[in-house]
Formats: sequence, structure tokens, C-alpha cells
Amino acid sequence: GDSVTQMEGPVTLSEEAFLTINCTYTATGYPSLFWYVQYPGEGLQLLLKATKADDKGSNKGFEATYRKETTSFHLEKGSVQVSDSAVYFCALSDHPKNYGGSQGNLIFGKGTKLSVKP
Amino acid sequence: DAGITQSPRHKVTETGTPVTLRCHQTENHRYMYWYRQDPGHGLRLIHYSYGVKDTDKGEVSDGYSVSRSKTEDFLLTLESATSSQTSVYFCAINDRGGSNYGYTFGSGTRLTVV
Repeated sequence: GDSVTQMEGPVTLSEEAFLTINCTYTATGYPSLFWYVQYPGEGLQLLLKATKADDKGSNKGFEATYRKETTSFHLEKGSVQVSDSAVYFCALSDHPKNYGGSQGNLIFGKGTKLSVKP
Repeated sequence: DAGITQSPRHKVTETGTPVTLRCHQTENHRYMYWYRQDPGHGLRLIHYSYGVKDTDKGEVSDGYSVSRSKTEDFLLTLESATSSQTSVYFCAINDRGGSNYGYTFGSGTRLTVV
């Protein structure tokens, strides 16, 4: 079945450091890919998305490129801030060929906790 | 989050008792979901609904039931709570299709079964 694998955490960085969180996926159809962020005590928020191969999603300085050849959707940010401390989830939603363009259910990775120190 | 609320936010219950969690939305979205979040597992889908009275099982549905009698409400019931059901439960909504591929999540319900 479909699945998402993301790098184990926790990840601890100093402010202004470069961030990469790796995410790879397996899917049988034509997935859309997402990154969600969860701040302490809150629900998940959509951070960015990409719906087809070679698309780049970006938001708040974060970006991720949908790489079909490597089945990857790695999250990057050039300079992290303390306020970026959170748990980040990679997710996919599959689009089977005969699904009529509708979206499948979301499948999540296990999450990566990021802590940024001043 | 705006448009979706979960209640209660926290609950402690005893093993063997029934528990119902409520998810309420004001967005008139067709699809609603219940997930549980556990350390080392991420979020796992329990049940989802694609319309009034239309529901289906997710990855971890054993021990849970759901009901949706109105578009705006999606209830999750633990018929006889067990300690393994101690978790944080999230509801999500989605309008499916069009240009909106994102889910909107509620703030979660922290359930402790003692």
C-alpha cells in the first residue's frame, strides 16, 4: 500500500542554520504531496503542497520539490528561526487513475520534531 | 482552527466506559475524518465520512465507531475504552476536488484511559 517515510527526529539546529527534512514515498497512483506543521498544543496546519511531478511548493521560506524519479519531497529552509520549532509531517494523497480527479485520503509520515536554539 | 471545533479538549475516563468525541464544522465540507496521533506512529486514520450517513473504515478502526447524522457533526465513539486508546484525537475536514487539496484540522482531543 501507499506509504510515507520521513527522517527520524528530533532535529536540533541553531538559528539561521539550513534545514532539510527528508521525505520519500511509495504510491500506486498519482499522488499529491504535502508538508504539514504542528506547533505545540495545536492541530496540524498545511505548510505547502505539490500536486504533480516537478512542482515546487513554497510557503513562509520553506520549499519542497516533487521528484518523481526519486519519489521524494524533501523539505528545506535556508535560515531557520526559533519560531519554526515544531513537528513537521510529510503526507501524500493518492489519485488512482479511475478516481475521476478526486483526492484520496491523506497518509502521513511519522513526523520530525525540529527544535531551533537561539 | 476556524470552522472546525472538537469537544471535549481533554478527557480522562476509566477502562470499559463508553466515550464520545465530537467534531463540529461550519464549512459545509462533505468529507470529515478522525485520526489518532501517537508517538512513533504519526497520524493514523480511524474512520472517515463522505456524506451524511456515509462512513468508512480507516487503518485503525477496531474498537471505534462513528456517526454522521448532519453535515456539520461527526462523532467518534469508543464503545468500551481501553488503555491502548489513550491518544490525541484529531478531526479534519476537506471539500475534495477542485483546487483545494488541503485538509483543515481541529485542535485535538487528548484522551486518557485509566
